[in-house]
Amino acid sequence: TQLLEQSPQFLSIQEGENLTVYCNSSSVFSSLQWYRQEPGEGPVLLVTVVTGGEVKKLKRLTFQFGDARKDSSLHITAAQPGDTGLYLCAGARTGRRALTFGSGTRLQVQP
Amino acid sequence: GAGVSQTPSNKVTEKGKYVELRCDPISGHTALYWYRQSLGQGPEFLIYFQGTGAADDSGLPNDRFFAVRPEGSVSTLKIQRTERGDSAVYLCASSLSAGGASPYEQYFGPGTRLTVT
Repeated sequence: TQLLEQSPQFLSIQEGENLTVYCNSSSVFSSLQWYRQEPGEGPVLLVTVVTGGEVKKLKRLTFQFGDARKDSSLHITAAQPGDTGLYLCAGARTGRRALTFGSGTRLQVQP
Repeated sequence: GAGVSQTPSNKVTEKGKYVELRCDPISGHTALYWYRQSLGQGPEFLIYFQGTGAADDSGLPNDRFFAVRPEGSVSTLKIQRTERGDSAVYLCASSLSAGGASPYEQYFGPGTRLTVT
């Protein structure tokens, strides 16, 4: 059973398009992190959100944590080929340090 | 400063053999984590150390898997009697113990790709 469901699993878009990736759960998380992973490398932390309703922006990336802290979204504006990669959401349950990861969204941005 | 390092980067072993995977965390990070990532999946938690002690080993799949961190820095993940199903990328991460704006931010190493033939 996947505690964190990510959608879509795959996304292939043209340069300049916008996209949103979703991360959903029936469980509450004390914090949620988004990572990007390139082939042959470990996940690289993009952002951490800890407060329900929180919105964080990182250049063209906008991250939102749901009010109930059960879901999150990542929105990319004007995608570029350099955004290509595997995007992973990961949540920490209250009282635990272990991260629970979603299965990832593989993004391909065509030039 | 240097990030999390892992050695070896690749390990091929025969079924039934014993393997050790090493992780060197970011200097000053007292928390260290091991995860396993199978092809097409997100990482799966194995074990978490706070200092020298295993604070949470609930993710270890069975007693063939064991990890140590004797001096609170470098950690070794040990797998006995390897099986083909153990083939995966083993990722190590480290974090600050507490304090700061986001105490649970984990920083990952490049992983060790283990192949059991």
